Amino acid sequence: KQEVTQIPAALSVPEGENLVLNCSFTDSAIYNLQWFRQDPGKGLTSLLLIQSSQREQTSGRLNASLDKSSGRSTLYIAASQPGDSATYLCAVSGGSYIPTFGRGTSLIVHP
Amino acid sequence: GAGVSQSPSNKVTEKGKDVELRCDPISGHTALYWYRQSLGQGLEFLIYFQGNSAPDKSGLPSDRFSAERTGGSVSTLTIQRTQQEDSAVYLCASSTVGSGANVLTFGAGSRLTVL
Repeated sequence: KQEVTQIPAALSVPEGENLVLNCSFTDSAIYNLQWFRQDPGKGLTSLLLIQSSQREQTSGRLNASLDKSSGRSTLYIAASQPGDSATYLCAVSGGSYIPTFGRGTSLIVHP
Repeated sequence: GAGVSQSPSNKVTEKGKDVELRCDPISGHTALYWYRQSLGQGLEFLIYFQGNSAPDKSGLPSDRFSAERTGGSVSTLTIQRTQQEDSAVYLCASSTVGSGANVLTFGAGSRLTVL
């Protein structure tokens, strides 16, 4: 059974810092990995999807990498802003196409 | 529609009552997922529909939970004889499947409170 772990559980940083969120998974036979953002009281918004054959994906200030062999992914956020404050979730899909989610990293970026 | 729509957004019910939660996915999305998010917990998979295939019900926590998807579109999650531990936010998502890219689009969720 796939297990997904996210470290740290919570992070508080000053505006402008570059930061790295970590995601690890136990079964490397994955189909893809997705990073989501969840604002309080809202649903999830997809940020980036990395297919199993890819190493990284970039969108604006976000960069996600994938190392299948070691069961790890990182989400890099450059020049953080207060508007980046949210919970970031990692989800891994196997052949069943059903994503397994980590518990998330709660990020606060203070001015 | 433009996004995934869920209703009701909030539901308060008494222990023992039945509840129905509705999800209207993005038009053309063949895959539909239900997840549950309890306070301080991660997302727990409940059920997955893909096209005309038999649904994957492996995440349903008990036989009090059931779901259907009519005409490959709208889905209803039913919880019978609700218990206090059923209190959670129920999230629905839809996607296309294939070509390595099943990007999930989530609805805003239905918050269920069982008194």
